[in-house]
Amino acid sequence: GESVGLHLPTLSVQEGDNSIINCAYSNSASDYFIWYKQESGKGPQFIIDIRSNMDKRQGQRVTVLLNKTVKHLSLQIAATQPGDSAVYFCAENSGSNYKLTFGKGTLLTVNP
Amino acid sequence: DSGVTQTPKHLITATGQRVTLRCSPRSGDLSVYWYQQSLDQGLQFLIQYYNGEERAKGNILERFSAQQFPDLHSELNLSSLELGDSALYFCASSPRDSSGYTDTQYFGPGTRLTVL
Repeated sequence: GESVGLHLPTLSVQEGDNSIINCAYSNSASDYFIWYKQESGKGPQFIIDIRSNMDKRQGQRVTVLLNKTVKHLSLQIAATQPGDSAVYFCAENSGSNYKLTFGKGTLLTVNP
Repeated sequence: DSGVTQTPKHLITATGQRVTLRCSPRSGDLSVYWYQQSLDQGLQFLIQYYNGEERAKGNILERFSAQQFPDLHSELNLSSLELGDSALYFCASSPRDSSGYTDTQYFGPGTRLTVL
């Protein structure tokens, strides 16, 4: 069935450290994955995406890794800043429909 | 700012009432998606429209309906409201139909609905 879940509901890091947020998915047909950041009172904000024909993609201070063998997705944030504090969602799409299936989110707290 | 706008920002109403939420997609985007976010269910896809036509349905109740107008803005109508309908409602947009190719969806700021 379709499900996307997060291993850790909360993550607390020190400013300047690297953060890793993990996500597991169960739909082996999923071919597109996105990470969103949601700050309190705001809508989800696109961070980075990756298609299933890739295993790594880098953005500005963020890297997404995709391991299709174990159906695992991770978001790495380098030099985490207080402004990175938010809930992070992974989402997946199998391509056969139009909806995104979201995980439940991980709360990242960056301590100064 | 994603470029997606939603009104109103907050809405407080009573059980049994009907409300309409409005969304304007990013300039040039043809697809509009509606999502519901509640504490116990997370972000749930409700429905998608592309260029005025319904394209996909998710976990949308029969009491809820939506439409997309020729100017591409969309409205989500919620009727016979129940306490459990209290949630954040997000609209997202993307450029294309996503048929066989998934577009990134850009989200609006949401409408917080409180049903008393």
